[in-house]
Amino acid sequence: QMQLVESGGGVVQPGRSLRLSCAASGFTFSNFAMHWVRQAPGKGLEWVAVRSYDGSKAFYADSVKGRFTVSRDNFENTVYLQMNSLRAEDTAVYYCAREDDVTDAFDIWGQGTMVTVSS
Amino acid sequence: QSALTQPASVSESPGQSITISCTGTSSDVGAYDFVSWFQQHPGKAPQLIIYDVNDRPSGVSNRFSGSKSGNTASLTISGLQAEDGADYYCTSYTTSSTWVFGGGTKLTVL
Repeated sequence: QMQLVESGGGVVQPGRSLRLSCAASGFTFSNFAMHWVRQAPGKGLEWVAVRSYDGSKAFYADSVKGRFTVSRDNFENTVYLQMNSLRAEDTAVYYCAREDDVTDAFDIWGQGTMVTVSS
Repeated sequence: QSALTQPASVSESPGQSITISCTGTSSDVGAYDFVSWFQQHPGKAPQLIIYDVNDRPSGVSNRFSGSKSGNTASLTISGLQAEDGADYYCTSYTTSSTWVFGGGTKLTVL
């Protein structure tokens, strides 16, 4: 079945870096834009970034612009989120989500991976 | 990129109906019909329940419906059931080619 599985979360000190991965299966990965969405503990959802289906375009939330980079490998069916200069306020569960190519809706989500930024 | 505005909480009795509003601007909700709604139960990933303002994915109950007027979108849940108790989030595409979520609404079915 169609599935997204995130990995790479953990505890990291402020100012350090972390790379998250999201492995896709059960669908033609290269046909879909992929997003990252995060949720701080007890808070709401926050859109983070998107990489277009062919990897040619990326867009970011102002809160992460210049620090985070979203990339993808359409041969490995994986999207990545490189997070640099991490701050305490980046602490959250990070979800990857597929953007349906017809409706532009986030129709498939992973289970999330927790990132904690703390000294 | 300010978050869309949703009521923090709403509560109603089983069998009744509720409507959750999602207010944005002419740069997001008012600009496109790319408004979606998600349901999230504690500890779970969000689930898409409405897309493109008023369409339902396959398998989602027709008790869920959406609408939009100007810069405000709305989610209506009719015939409330206990399992509808969850957090609900709206999201919209923006004129900056980004996406923005609402702050979320906690629905309590009394």
